[in-house]
Amino acid sequence: AQSVSQHNHHVILSEAASLELGCNYSYGGTVNLFWYVQYPGQHLQLLLKYFSGDPLVKGIKGFEAEFIKSKFSFNLRKPSVQWSDTAEYFCAVNNYGGSQGNLIFGKGTKLSVKP
Amino acid sequence: DTGVSQDPRHKITKRGQNVTFRCDPISEHNRLYWYRQTLGQGPEFLTYFQNEAQLEKSRLLSDRFSAERPKGSFSTLEIQRTEQGDSAMYLCASSPDRAYEQYFGPGTRLTVT
Repeated sequence: AQSVSQHNHHVILSEAASLELGCNYSYGGTVNLFWYVQYPGQHLQLLLKYFSGDPLVKGIKGFEAEFIKSKFSFNLRKPSVQWSDTAEYFCAVNNYGGSQGNLIFGKGTKLSVKP
Repeated sequence: DTGVSQDPRHKITKRGQNVTFRCDPISEHNRLYWYRQTLGQGPEFLTYFQNEAQLEKSRLLSDRFSAERPKGSFSTLEIQRTEQGDSAMYLCASSPDRAYEQYFGPGTRLTVT
């Protein structure tokens, strides 16, 4: 069965520190990859997505992610975090080529940024 | 720009009661998805519609759960004879096509006492 693994359950950083959140998926076919963010008290919002092309994708608020097909990974990065980045981050996969396009999510990583 | 809306936002019910949730997708989005999220987990797929047709149901969706999308617009998710294990956040999302990103609503938080 397809699955998405997020390696870190809770990450605590100080402002201006660099961030990297790991995400691995277990599907060998064509996939679309997503990072969603859920700020406290808000609904899930799309942070960035990868469909094809340049494996380094840029999203909102200075976030970027790199798709490494050989490693089945799609790690999220930000060079300098801010207190407002405190949120829960979810990696998701959509293997539209096979199934009906429903998203498979990781368990999420909670990011706490200390001011 | 109206996003996905869900109603109610919170529902507290007693075990054994029936509950119904509503989701209004972004207009002209053909696909509508229901997910469930429990504490410490990511959203888990329940079912989805292509227009008014329900095309896939997860094994998580027991016989007590039923979903409809009449006329391919809003959707309802009904849970009959609720159990404490049904307590969760129920999320709705819509998409114009299966290859596109999904837009999520705020969710309905269900508490079964």
